[in-house]
Amino acid sequence: DAGVTQSPTHLIKTRGQQVTLRCSPKSGHDTVSWYQQALGQGPQFIFQYYEEEERQRGNFPDRFSGHQFPNYSSELNVNALLLGDSALYLCASSFGFKEFTSGSPLHFGNGTRLTVT
Amino acid sequence: GQQVMQIPQYQHVQEGEDFTTYCNSSTTLSNIQWYKQRPGGHPVFLIQLVKSGEVKKQKRLTFQFGEAKKNSSLHITATQTTDVGTYFCARPGGGKLIFGQGTELSVKP
Repeated sequence: DAGVTQSPTHLIKTRGQQVTLRCSPKSGHDTVSWYQQALGQGPQFIFQYYEEEERQRGNFPDRFSGHQFPNYSSELNVNALLLGDSALYLCASSFGFKEFTSGSPLHFGNGTRLTVT
Repeated sequence: GQQVMQIPQYQHVQEGEDFTTYCNSSTTLSNIQWYKQRPGGHPVFLIQLVKSGEVKKQKRLTFQFGEAKKNSSLHITATQTTDVGTYFCARPGGGKLIFGQGTELSVKP
C-alpha cells in the first residue's frame, strides 16, 4: 500500500523561474493539502484540493497555484520564484473533505526541497 | 487568532531524562493532533485528542488534552536517542490543519 509520494525530491531554481511539484496521495485518499515548511518552522498551509477544486487557501500569494486530477494526484505551481520561496514543500493526503474540516489526521509525503538562487 | 503556541522551542536532554512539550491556544479547540518529524524527514501523525481532559498513552509517550480544551501536552518518559526530532501540535481551523512552531528535542547519549 503506497503512501504519499512526491516528486522531485530536490530542485534548484533561479529567481523568476517557475516550478511544478507533484504529489500522489495515499491509496484510498481523495483530499490533498500542500504545506510550505521553512527551516526551523512548522508547516504553513498553502491550499487544499478535493474533487478537483481548491477548497481552502492559506495566506499565500497568487503566484502559488495548484491542480488536482481525476486520479486525486495533485500539482503545486509556483511562478516568479523569490529567494524566500526556498523551503520544503510537503504534500499531505486524507480522506474526505468533511472529515478534514473536523481535523482528520494527515499523511505526509517526504517533501520536495526547493532551493531558489 | 488561530495560532497554537508551543513551548519550549528547543529542549536538550540526557538520555533517560523526561521531556515535556506544551501546546497552548487562546481559543477552545475541537481537537488537537500531535506529529513527530525526524531530522530530514516529514511529519508523522502520532495521535489525536478530542475529549476534555483526555489522556492517551503510547508506550513512553503520554498525551493530555486540557479540561478547557485550550492546551495540550506531550510527555516522554526516559527519553531515548530514537526520540530525537521535532514535535508539532496541530489544530483544525477554517477547514485546514494549523501547526505550531514545534519543539525540537535532542537527546545526548
